[in-house]
Amino acid sequence: GENVEQHPSTLSVQEGDSAVIKCTYSDSASNYFPWYKQELGKGPQLIIDIRSNVGEKKDQRIAVTLNKTAKHFSLHITETQPEDSAVYFCAARTNNAGNMLTFGGGTRLMVKP
Amino acid sequence: DTGVSQNPRHKITKRGQNVTFRCDPISEHNRLYWYRQTLGQGPEFLTYFQNEAQLEKSRLLSDRFSAERPKGSFSTLEIQRTEQGDSAMYLCASSLAGLAGVEQFFGPGTRLTVL
Repeated sequence: GENVEQHPSTLSVQEGDSAVIKCTYSDSASNYFPWYKQELGKGPQLIIDIRSNVGEKKDQRIAVTLNKTAKHFSLHITETQPEDSAVYFCAARTNNAGNMLTFGGGTRLMVKP
Repeated sequence: DTGVSQNPRHKITKRGQNVTFRCDPISEHNRLYWYRQTLGQGPEFLTYFQNEAQLEKSRLLSDRFSAERPKGSFSTLEIQRTEQGDSAMYLCASSLAGLAGVEQFFGPGTRLTVL
């Protein structure tokens, strides 16, 4: 089955700096890669996603890049703000009819004011 | 609020008791997923439904777990004879079927504590 590795597990940045979180996946047939933000006591919130036919996608301060050859994808947050502090999860869609997601272990991002 | 809802939000039970959780998906979504999340880990897939049909189950879903979606709308997840290892956050997500509907939207989860 699919295996997703995520690094780093914790990341501390100063407000205004950029943050980068990286993930690798094992199944070359995976074709959809979402990123979720999870705040304490809440469910994961979809913040951005990318499909395998695209190399990069941007939405305001958030961008995701995908390298299919190397089987890795990254989340970039620019101009970080304290409200960006949360746990971020990457995921990959297992290539079957069910669209089940395999998640990475998460990155706790702390943005210091 | 038109998002995914889950009830109860918290459940504390004694080992050996049965518990049932409910998930109401986004109204037009025909796919519904259950995931389990333990502390400090990412969610792990348990099972999913397309309409009322349960199409896939993970190996994590032991015989003590059963899920239903009788009318293709809300779903229930029951755990029989709970064990301390069942303590986790149980998350429900929903999506549309097909290539256009791969986005999964999660509910707030039900946190289960087994004493």
